[in-house]
Amino acid sequence: EPEVTQTPSHQVTQMGQEVILRCVPISNHLYFYWYRQILGQKVEFLVSFYNNEISEKSEIFDDQFSVERPDGSNFTLKIRSTKLEDSAMYFCASSDGGERTDTQYFGPGTRLTVL
Amino acid sequence: AQSVTQLDSHVSVSEGTPVLLRCNYSSSYSPSLFWYVQHPNKGLQLLLKYTSAATLVKGINGFEAEFKKSETSFHLTKPSAHMSDAAEYFCVVSPHTGTASKLTFGTGTRLQVTL
Repeated sequence: EPEVTQTPSHQVTQMGQEVILRCVPISNHLYFYWYRQILGQKVEFLVSFYNNEISEKSEIFDDQFSVERPDGSNFTLKIRSTKLEDSAMYFCASSDGGERTDTQYFGPGTRLTVL
Repeated sequence: AQSVTQLDSHVSVSEGTPVLLRCNYSSSYSPSLFWYVQHPNKGLQLLLKYTSAATLVKGINGFEAEFKKSETSFHLTKPSAHMSDAAEYFCVVSPHTGTASKLTFGTGTRLQVTL
């Protein structure tokens, strides 16, 4: 069964450094998403992406964040200058373009630790 | 706007006894509702999904959920718990059936299964 994959599983970085989190969505999916879960808190929506554009973003997704689909398979989330409060589990998700468009399939997550 | 309330942060059951995880939602539209499960150190796995076809939805691993519009509830049940069911369960709402909209998560219910 096709799966969403994410790399790395755990990333440790120093405050102020740039990080790139990588995701490979399910191959025939058209919509891509990033969510995050700060320890002990809810899973929160960050951004959705379709047709090489951001289609929706939350208040969390400020100028420090960017997303890209650099090729036909990868979907990345970049944080330009990490802060302590960016420490969280980041989940990538994808959905297809048909009648199951609202059904999002999630990857295993990347745990980001900012020191 | 939409929101999800999971009424119990922690539920403990004995193996072989029924499971009930409670969820209430609020949505301005005709939502899709989901239950996702997260096993330790794993990603978010889709358990089941409600659109509008049937109010009783069957999912994987013997779980089912009943949509009650009058009560704005979408409780998750299983007749007989298994040790492998121990995990975190999230009730999730998408505002528009069939569209690529952001998901809103509940705070999660941790299910403990004891011998």
